[in-house]
Amino acid sequence: EAGVAQSPRYKIIEKRQSVAFWCNPISGHATLYWYQQILGQGPKLLIQFQNNGVVDDSQLPKDRFSAERLKGVDSTLKIQPAKLEDSAVYLCASSFMGAGETQYFGPGTRLLVL
Amino acid sequence: GQQLNQSPQSMFIQEGEDVSMNCTSSSIFNTWLWYKQDPGEGPVLLIALYKAGELTSNGRLTAQFGITRKDSFLNISASIPSDVGIYFCAGPIYNQGGKLIFGQGTELSVKP
Repeated sequence: EAGVAQSPRYKIIEKRQSVAFWCNPISGHATLYWYQQILGQGPKLLIQFQNNGVVDDSQLPKDRFSAERLKGVDSTLKIQPAKLEDSAVYLCASSFMGAGETQYFGPGTRLLVL
Repeated sequence: GQQLNQSPQSMFIQEGEDVSMNCTSSSIFNTWLWYKQDPGEGPVLLIALYKAGELTSNGRLTAQFGITRKDSFLNISASIPSDVGIYFCAGPIYNQGGKLIFGQGTELSVKP
């Protein structure tokens, strides 16, 4: 069974530029999560989708971050414009349903904002 | 809000030694999860604990759900070089649909 796929694996941009990350969850998984992991810290949830609806986006900085999961499968996370403090690993995870289900993580996209 | 505090922050041990790390919170958790993150990869679930006092093993790993429900412990016996990585505890926030919070991690280095 294929795992969670993410691309790109690495991205370097200058501040105020835009960037987008893509995630393809495990086939059949209804719930998709985007996490931000700053160096030396644990992952922090940004947004959670159940199918194509948002369950929780309370920690998403909505002035610059946006995410969508239009057909309930793939998802994109966008940052526009990027700030220096956005440098982090962006992890996508998926689970079969939601609460209480094991979350499977992708390898992450490492973003460096200069 | 709820927070998870892990200790130690880092460990440097010799191959073959046993390792112990813990995770504490000021809030009660009904589930404790232990993940391992290898360099350049996403976290992978090692052990899940669902009941206070529960002791669960996965090969050389053993984790315990604290009786108070405010802490958990992870032990690794007879460490090997591939145990290197960052170990995170995590738990679902009460009544928030499976939303996990993570500790800050314990980084383990193993000297052959």
